[in-house]
Amino acid sequence: DAMVIQNPRYQVTQFGKPVTLSCSQTLNHNVMYWYQQKSSQAPKLLFHYYDKDFNNEADTPDNFQSRRPNTSFCFLDIRSPGLGDAAMYLCATSRETSGRYEQFFGPGTRLTVL
Amino acid sequence: GNSVTQMEGPVTLSEEAFLTINCTYTATGYPSLFWYVQYPGEGLQLLLKATKADDKGSNKGFEATYRKETTSFHLEKGSVQVSDSAVYFCALSDSSGGYQKVTFGIGTKLQVIP
Repeated sequence: DAMVIQNPRYQVTQFGKPVTLSCSQTLNHNVMYWYQQKSSQAPKLLFHYYDKDFNNEADTPDNFQSRRPNTSFCFLDIRSPGLGDAAMYLCATSRETSGRYEQFFGPGTRLTVL
Repeated sequence: GNSVTQMEGPVTLSEEAFLTINCTYTATGYPSLFWYVQYPGEGLQLLLKATKADDKGSNKGFEATYRKETTSFHLEKGSVQVSDSAVYFCALSDSSGGYQKVTFGIGTKLQVIP
């Protein structure tokens, strides 16, 4: 089945220790998104890639970076995680940027910061 | 800017009860509307969508109709099951900024008891 895969499902890191979350997709979608979802809140868009073009949301902290080496993979790097960065991180893809097409979500990576 | 307002939960229903989760939106232009469902510990799954006024989205017994005159997209199901227990997010999507920007509501937790 075509899908969006996130690894690991659970990640524990220490305060200030860099961490990388990964996302891969078999849908061959050209747009990939990263969201942060804190407990009992709606997902919040951090950034997205349209093909290789990176688009950062205005309020995304500099601590968050992303890489997309090819169509299938996208990484979220948190350079110096703080306690407030503990959250579920969701990767999503869409076929196009038109609002008619839904986004397909991965299962998420739950990040714990000690 | 765009916004989505949905009823706060939790909503607790007995099995086979009728479900309504209200959702209203504010948007410029003509957005697409979605309902996503999130089961415990998982990512978001698309439940249904509607891309233009008067469209009805339906899936797994759930329905929602895009009402432009009332800017609403209420979710309904005639007879809920215990397996429907999850968090439901209303969302809108537009591409007015040149990419698909999804705005989520806060989510409504549904608990169905036997």
